[in-house]
Amino acid sequence: AQSVTQPDIHITVSEGASLELRCNYSYGATPYLFWYVQSPGQGLQLLLKYFSGDTLVQGIKGFEAEFKRSQSSFNLRKPSVHWSDAAEYFCAVGAPGAQKLVFGQGTRLTINP
Amino acid sequence: NAGVTQTPKFQVLKTGQSMTLQCAQDMNHEYMSWYRQDPGMGLRLIHYSVGAGITDQGEVPNGYNVSRSTTEDFPLRLLSAAPSQTSVYFCASRSGARITGELFFGEGSRLTVL
Repeated sequence: AQSVTQPDIHITVSEGASLELRCNYSYGATPYLFWYVQSPGQGLQLLLKYFSGDTLVQGIKGFEAEFKRSQSSFNLRKPSVHWSDAAEYFCAVGAPGAQKLVFGQGTRLTINP
Repeated sequence: NAGVTQTPKFQVLKTGQSMTLQCAQDMNHEYMSWYRQDPGMGLRLIHYSVGAGITDQGEVPNGYNVSRSTTEDFPLRLLSAAPSQTSVYFCASRSGARITGELFFGEGSRLTVL
């Protein structure tokens, strides 16, 4: 069965600084990978997804993620964060063709002005 | 454009009481699911459905029942609430049974069991 780990529970960055959120997965082959964002008091929204092909994927709100098979990672990045990026971010993994998605524990992002 | 609607948004129960969390979607999605969100645990799948009349268990199904009589609705029932069921519950839907589709989430229902 697949699993996903987000090593950082809470990250604080200054507005305008770059951001990288870590995600490591466990799966025997190449899984399908996702990043979702949860703004305070809201449900989750899809940022981006990776199924195959180009290992660098672009998402909404200026986010990107890179799939690295050798490191079993799918880290989320943004070159310059905005105060509105303060939220909780979830990495998720699923087996190709599966119906169920497994979410990580989440990383809470705080932005300092 | 309502999307996924959950009711109620907040509920307080006493141990042993029963209740139903309602979820409705207006996007004609085949797949619907219930997750619970707990601090440090992320989202865990409770039950899911790939169409009317079809339901299946997720990671943490114990203490919860579901049914899917229509495409639009997917209620979650707690038959005898326990303090361990204090959580935030999210309903989510997508257009296909497979995970390639985007999950659309409701705003959540915060349940406290005393």
